[in-house]
Amino acid sequence: DAGVIQSPRHEVTEMGQEVTLRCKPISGHDYLFWYRQTMMRGLELLIYFNNNVPIDDSGMPEDRFSAKMPNASFSTLKIQPSEPRDSAVYFCASRAQGVWETQYFGPGTRLLVL
Amino acid sequence: GDSVTQMEGPVTLSEEAFLTINCTYTATGYPSLFWYVQYPGEGLQLLLKATKADDKGSNKGFEATYRKETTSFHLEKGSVQVSDSAVYFCALSVGFGANSKLTFGKGITLSVRP
Repeated sequence: DAGVIQSPRHEVTEMGQEVTLRCKPISGHDYLFWYRQTMMRGLELLIYFNNNVPIDDSGMPEDRFSAKMPNASFSTLKIQPSEPRDSAVYFCASRAQGVWETQYFGPGTRLLVL
Repeated sequence: GDSVTQMEGPVTLSEEAFLTINCTYTATGYPSLFWYVQYPGEGLQLLLKATKADDKGSNKGFEATYRKETTSFHLEKGSVQVSDSAVYFCALSVGFGANSKLTFGKGITLSVRP
C-alpha cells in the first residue's frame, strides 16, 4: 500500500499566484481530510469529505481557499490568490468507513508564499 | 465544543528517562482518544488509541489509559530513546459516520539527548 500521496512536496510561489495542492487517498478509504499546520496555530482541520462530498468546510479560512474531490482517488486544495500568511505545511489524510478507523496522513506539502 | 489540552513544551530528556506527557479533554459526547506522533519532516502517524473508559492503548513501549473520571489520556514511556524525538499530539473523536473527525491538541515537542 502506497499510503496517502501528496504533491508537490514543496512549493514556493509569489504572493498573488494560484497554488494547487494535490492528494491521492489510500484506495478504498471513504473519508478525506485537509489540514494546515503552522507554528502559531498548530494543526487545523480545513475541510473533509465523505464519499467525495464535502461534509464540513467550517475550517476553510476564507474564500481564497477551495477544495474539490472529483472522484474517490483524487482531491485538490486551491489557494487563489495566495498570500504570505498562507505559508504552512498542508496535510491530507484519509480513513476508511468504520467507526474506529484510523486516519492516515500524507507526508505534507510545505508551502512558502513570498 | 470539543477540545484537547496538552501540557506546554518543549520537553527535553536524557536517554532512558521516564516520560509523561499530560493530555486532558472536553467532549460533548463519548470520545475515542488517540496519540499521534510526527517525526521530523513527516506526516502524523497513529501511535496508540483507546475507545472506552479504562482502556489502555499501547505501542512501541508507549502507554496511555483512558480515564473518564479525570477526562485524561496521559502518555507514558518507561525508558525513552533518541529515536523517540518527535512531536506528540493528543486527539479525540466523537460522533459517527459522516460526523466523525479528529480534534487535536497543540502538540508537544520531545527531544531525547544521548
